[in-house]
Amino acid sequence: AQTVTQSQPEMSVQEAETVTLSCTYDTSESDYYLFWYKQPPSRQMILVIRQEAYKQQNATENRFSVNFQKAAKSFSLKISDSQLGDAAMYFCASRTSGNTPLVFGKGTRLSVIA
Amino acid sequence: GAVVSQHPSWVICKSGTSVKIECRSLDFQATTMFWYRQFPKQSLMLMATSNEGSKATYEQGVEKDKFLINHASLTLSTLTVTSAHPEDSSFYICSARTREGLGEQYFGPGTRLTVT
Repeated sequence: AQTVTQSQPEMSVQEAETVTLSCTYDTSESDYYLFWYKQPPSRQMILVIRQEAYKQQNATENRFSVNFQKAAKSFSLKISDSQLGDAAMYFCASRTSGNTPLVFGKGTRLSVIA
Repeated sequence: GAVVSQHPSWVICKSGTSVKIECRSLDFQATTMFWYRQFPKQSLMLMATSNEGSKATYEQGVEKDKFLINHASLTLSTLTVTSAHPEDSSFYICSARTREGLGEQYFGPGTRLTVT
């Protein structure tokens, strides 16, 4: 079974600064995918970034990047130049290949201070 | 991008009644839909996986007779909460997976259910 652990219930960052959200996971599968989702107050889940486990290169999407450490089973999210609109709950998630559901961590609430 | 809609967005019902929540993939065909439940300030908890034309697969601890899931077409899945009780009050989120490629999973905006 897969598990996803987010050890930071809450984080805060100054506007324009950089913040890193931590995530570790556990799986016995060799083929899997990792995701970061954002859930703003509207509660709409928004995909921030995804990483295929077979890819060594860390994924990046504009101000968002990940540090994927496969051996350590770590998948952290770095948000650069933080903006007020980045304030939200962030969920780390994983799934194996095939038609399997996403498994979510407990989330990290990010506050952005103006 | 792919859009998933849910209806209603908010529903209040009396204890003992049933309520149906619809989940539609608007611009893609979804062979698989997932239903999640989210309590305040908590993560998403998977309730069931629904494949088109097949019976849903429920997670351990989820009462299949209470939470009826139907996935009759490639664009529609429904969740019916039967004989609702106040403890069923929650935020219900559906998610649909595209058939192609990575099988991206898109989320609906959620339905807030309040049982009085």
